[in-house]
Amino acid sequence: DTAVSQTPKYLVTQMGNDKSIKCEQNLGHDTMYWYKQDSKKFLKIMFSYNNKELIINETVPNRFSPKSPDKAHLNLHINSLELGDSAVYFCASSLDTSNQPQHFGDGTRLSIL
Amino acid sequence: GESVGLHLPTLSVQEGDNSIINCAYSNSASDYFIWYKQESGKGPQFIIDIRSNMDKRQGQRVTVLLNKTVKHLSLQIAATQPGDSAVYFCAERINDMRFGAGTRLTVKP
Repeated sequence: DTAVSQTPKYLVTQMGNDKSIKCEQNLGHDTMYWYKQDSKKFLKIMFSYNNKELIINETVPNRFSPKSPDKAHLNLHINSLELGDSAVYFCASSLDTSNQPQHFGDGTRLSIL
Repeated sequence: GESVGLHLPTLSVQEGDNSIINCAYSNSASDYFIWYKQESGKGPQFIIDIRSNMDKRQGQRVTVLLNKTVKHLSLQIAATQPGDSAVYFCAERINDMRFGAGTRLTVKP
């Protein structure tokens, strides 16, 4: 009965590869997010989708492309992985775009060799 | 025990003591604030929130205080337990959530 689930939990890959991370929420929320957490634990928003529509796109390289097939899913595809992409990526969801708590998944640890 | 958030990223307290974690936020237009707890290998977990029209809110063993004059937010944890050991983040919202750097709380038995 996990509320926000991400797969995979760990991802180890070579520089230059393309990879995807999947996220699903079963909370019936309209809004979903992707965050990046660096080695110093700093959490920064990357993208936000509301009802499958992109509403926030921070200054993230074009190599990162989110896709929301429906409002319960928000996947993140990364092209041409670089060493600096190594981080923990968190998916989150909230009821809507108003002032509501966000519920986070347990993260995907991406390591680039 | 008390921390100054961004300047003292670690806080160590004795089990049973009260903990105070502080956070200085950046934007006076922020209208919503959240405290999250993050345990090792897990995602941030919602603890308590407060809107800008309030200055205090209480939950179970936790209290959040908001001082808009000095842009300061604090989280008080009563009777701190070993299970409270984690990294605590404050977050402020204007258009999207902006997280602080986090404070690591360690509870000594």
